[in-house]
Amino acid sequence: LAKTTQPISMDSYEGQEVNITCSHNNIATNDYITWYQQFPSQGPRFIIQGYKTKVTNEVASLFIPADRKSSTLSLPRVSLSDTAVYYCLVGGTNAGKSTFGDGTTLTVKP
Amino acid sequence: EAQVTQNPRYLITVTGKKLTVTCSQNMNHEYMSWYRQDPGLGLRQIYYSMNVEVTDKGDVPEGYKVSRKEKRNFPLILESPSPNQTSLYFCASTQNGRNTEAFFGQGTRLTVV
Repeated sequence: LAKTTQPISMDSYEGQEVNITCSHNNIATNDYITWYQQFPSQGPRFIIQGYKTKVTNEVASLFIPADRKSSTLSLPRVSLSDTAVYYCLVGGTNAGKSTFGDGTTLTVKP
Repeated sequence: EAQVTQNPRYLITVTGKKLTVTCSQNMNHEYMSWYRQDPGLGLRQIYYSMNVEVTDKGDVPEGYKVSRKEKRNFPLILESPSPNQTSLYFCASTQNGRNTEAFFGQGTRLTVV
């Protein structure tokens, strides 16, 4: 399984765009990249998933360069409620054999 | 409503007393998984299952057992709990072996004294 590296923590202010980058140098050809959000004492929640280039949904965008060795989760105009831990997951199945990295603790300030 | 349900949500038990944490999903998912989460250590996978009667070890399987007799249920069994198994446990399920999102339960906070 590809090991992932993310910043341990990030701070932002309400209304700003936040970009969290995940490094995954050993990503395999068939691997997808998935991001989850977790609030304290709750289960992780799916945010977005992609394979290459750019993916956008109603809450975030995911940018993946051509070499796929990294990915960037972009959260537009964050609010206080976006304060959470964000995990990047790379691999085959998301409930099969999988390894979560340490995650990035995002703190949004007023 | 699509969901993964764990029970109990909170449990305090004594060392050595066998316990089972149940997990059930209503989405007909093939894959299910158990994680534990400890401060500073993130989410670590205990066991996972690819289908009925097919299970495999995750990263931290010692001290745990699982079974998958029905597609919807994936119980986690602690035959002889110890204090180092005090943790927050999450069950998850995924539709199939391709890259689809995982749905997580609300968690079970276990304390072993």
